Amino acid sequence: DAGVIQSPRHEVTEMGQEVTLRCKPISGHDYLFWYRQTMMRGLELLIYFNNNVPIDDSGMPEDRFSAKMPNASFSTLKIQPSEPRDSAVYFCASNNRGHYNEQFFGPGTRLTVL
Amino acid sequence: AQKITQTQPGMFVQEKEAVTLDCTYDTSDPSYGLFWYKQPSSGEMIFLIYQGSYDQQNATEGRYSLNFQKARKSANLVISASQLGDSAMYFCAMVGAGGSYIPTFGRGTSLIVHP
Repeated sequence: DAGVIQSPRHEVTEMGQEVTLRCKPISGHDYLFWYRQTMMRGLELLIYFNNNVPIDDSGMPEDRFSAKMPNASFSTLKIQPSEPRDSAVYFCASNNRGHYNEQFFGPGTRLTVL
Repeated sequence: AQKITQTQPGMFVQEKEAVTLDCTYDTSDPSYGLFWYKQPSSGEMIFLIYQGSYDQQNATEGRYSLNFQKARKSANLVISASQLGDSAMYFCAMVGAGGSYIPTFGRGTSLIVHP
């Protein structure tokens, strides 16, 4: 079974541009999580969905960030406009029946905003 | 609120020896889950082991075991017979109602295994 799939794996863009990160969770998983990892702040949860519905987006840093999950097999994280401080590795993770089950992480998207 | 503390930013171990990575947590929840993940230099996060707060026995998964001391609020990861491929960052995490079931991760410990 394929794991969590993220695309692109690397993204380099210029400040002010729109960036869209994509995630395909493991089939059958009903929770999807978006994380951001930086050296300064470690691993931060941005938002998570349950059955395609956003449950908690309190970790989203500001209005420039938005996330959607139009169906059970696809989610996007969009940054518009992007800024250099958004440079980080963004992980998508999914799991089944939530809270006390381990999360399966995607390979991450390394974003560089120049 | 819940908090995870990993006090060892870096650890070194000789190949084939055992190593313990420390993790302490703080929560007022009676029920919670503790996890360990490995992040090698390639960047992916790999689940290693899970311990539930009501589990009577310490969790084990192959060479990984979790030394769970509930009264001390510690959940240390023990890796036996270290291998060169164990060199990575290791993250401790917890989930509980007090954190609205949002996982809280520690800052991680970098483990280097010497030949």
